Amino acid sequence: DAGITQSPRHKVTETGTPVTLRCHQTENHRYMYWYRQDPGHGLRLIHYSYGVKDTDKGEVSDGYSVSRSKTEDFLLTLESATSSQTSVYFCAISAWTGEAFFGQGTRLTVV
Amino acid sequence: AQSVTQLDSQVPVFEEAPVELRCNYSSSVSVYLFWYVQYPNQGLQLLLKYLSGSTLVKGINGFEAEFNKSQTSFHLRKPSVHISDTAEYFCAVSGAGSYQLTFGKGTKLSVIP
Repeated sequence: DAGITQSPRHKVTETGTPVTLRCHQTENHRYMYWYRQDPGHGLRLIHYSYGVKDTDKGEVSDGYSVSRSKTEDFLLTLESATSSQTSVYFCAISAWTGEAFFGQGTRLTVV
Repeated sequence: AQSVTQLDSQVPVFEEAPVELRCNYSSSVSVYLFWYVQYPNQGLQLLLKYLSGSTLVKGINGFEAEFNKSQTSFHLRKPSVHISDTAEYFCAVSGAGSYQLTFGKGTKLSVIP
């Protein structure tokens, strides 16, 4: 299995609070992605990174920011959590812009 | 821009029957195509991929898919399904020169004993 660790695996937070999710890889892959998965929507890309300090927005980036200061870590921050951000968040890594390996997911509930 | 359409959100099928899960894509450049499977409460796992060459690709667990450029399709097939194939299946596309991997909305396959 690809070495991807997401933390935390589960989190409950209150509306309006900031939340940071962490993705850590041991594969030294260049590309890292954050997706959210919601029923009926599949996986939607939030942000992605193509190198250290190189990030870009995906399809549903509003309300989210990311940072990548090291190859192995990709952080996703919800600046002020809202109930619409209740979801399952997946991190993925890829050595090229194609075949991706996924983490186990983080289930986030905003109350 | 690239997009993926999975034509069926749910597919019920009897055990040992054949199944086809449909996927169409759109892209202005040449593409790489993938099928992933997700079992309950797990992440996604790659089933198979088309990069170039033979249009018929074989994957794990007896699945195969055929790339049809003229119809912009990449349908997934299995000749005989098992209960353990019950899962959600996602088609994905990556375009040449793009950093993004775009997914369809998924098809839930339910295998009925």
